[in-house]
Amino acid sequence: QVQLKESGPGLVQPSETLSLTCTVSGFSLTSYSVSWVRQPSGKGPEWMGRMWYDGDTAYNSALKSRLSISRDTSKNQVFLKMNSLQTDDTGTYYCTRDVRGREDYWGQGVMVTVSS
Amino acid sequence: DTVLTQSPALAVSPGERVTISCRASESVSTLMHWYQQKPGQQPTLLIYLASNLESGVPARFSGSGSGTDFTLTIDPVEADDTATYYCQQSWNDPPTFGGGTKLELK
Repeated sequence: QVQLKESGPGLVQPSETLSLTCTVSGFSLTSYSVSWVRQPSGKGPEWMGRMWYDGDTAYNSALKSRLSISRDTSKNQVFLKMNSLQTDDTGTYYCTRDVRGREDYWGQGVMVTVSS
Repeated sequence: DTVLTQSPALAVSPGERVTISCRASESVSTLMHWYQQKPGQQPTLLIYLASNLESGVPARFSGSGSGTDFTLTIDPVEADDTATYYCQQSWNDPPTFGGGTKLELK
């Protein structure tokens, strides 16, 4: 069955870089795209960016200067790196399977707190 | 960015019909999707492309609309439907989500 699982540190210092990994199973990264979506506590989700099935990437313009998404198809993993973190980057980060713009499967999410 | 506006909260009794609205700041054609999120869980897809029921989702859920005005209908509402419901558009870049409607059962 389709599964996605996020992993990474739960606490990041202000101005530091966040690195997250999404490990997928049940589908191929060369057939489906994977998005990163984050959600501050009590607020709506925010789409961050996408790794297309063909290896291309797309980013939310609000985050583009700080964000990088990459993948390792041999390990079925998609990576997120975002630098210059601030306190308003605190929230739950999800990776999702993207099918023509809709997110049909979501990982359980990883809570990231930006604090010194 | 396309702003999606949802009413913050609704309270209904089990067995009733409820409609949850989502208004877009510009046309999104029919590229509107709906998600359910229960406390402490990730969102799950209910409806895609405005009116298509995702596999495994009960037929009590339905969606309609096009352009800027969309609705999610639950009929009849059950106790397990207590959750926050989000709309999301994928017509304009970047994809955006609404602020969510919290559905409570009386």
